Amino acid sequence: AQSVSQHNHHVILSEAASLELGCNYSYGGTVNLFWYVQYPGQHLQLLLKYFSGDPLVKGIKGFEAEFIKSKFSFNLRKPSVQWSDTAEYFCAVNSRNSGYALNFGKGTSLLVTP
Amino acid sequence: DVKVTQSSRYLVKRTGEKVFLECVQDMDHENMFWYRQDPGLGLRLIYFSYDVKMKEKGDIPEGYSVSREKKERFSLILESASTNQTSMYLCASSWTGGTEKLFFGSGTQLSVL
Repeated sequence: AQSVSQHNHHVILSEAASLELGCNYSYGGTVNLFWYVQYPGQHLQLLLKYFSGDPLVKGIKGFEAEFIKSKFSFNLRKPSVQWSDTAEYFCAVNSRNSGYALNFGKGTSLLVTP
Repeated sequence: DVKVTQSSRYLVKRTGEKVFLECVQDMDHENMFWYRQDPGLGLRLIYFSYDVKMKEKGDIPEGYSVSREKKERFSLILESASTNQTSMYLCASSWTGGTEKLFFGSGTQLSVL
């Protein structure tokens, strides 16, 4: 079955710490990969996406993610987090096989402390 | 800016009631989606639609139906609301194709008593 797994459900970091959130997927064929963020009280919004080309993609607010096909992974990173990065982060995947409907992971809640 | 508007921010309904959740987008998007968001479970796809009068089941369609009579509007219907349908419901829309980002509405927090 197609699935998306996020390893960490809750992460607490101090400001300036580095961040890495794990995401693995179980899909056959070509996939499109996304990270979305939901700040407290706000809509979900796209951080970055990968569908082809350079497997290291850069998104908004200093975030980046690396697609490693052999590991079925798409981990999100940021070298130095800020208090304003406190949010919930969702990895999402779609493929032609799934009719391109976006399948989300369960989310990681990040708390950045001053 | 793309706007996805959900008709209600909060709804309280009784068990057994028929509930309509409305979603309208203003960017002529082909694709529209209904998700529910529950703590610890992330977003789960209920139904989606690629075009007017077309619908596809998502991962958890049981107890729900949808209607898309016009391109800009996608309605979610709870035929007979139950307490386990208490949740945050999110509507989203996008251009056609798998690489396009979703634009989300603000959500409807539905409580079924």
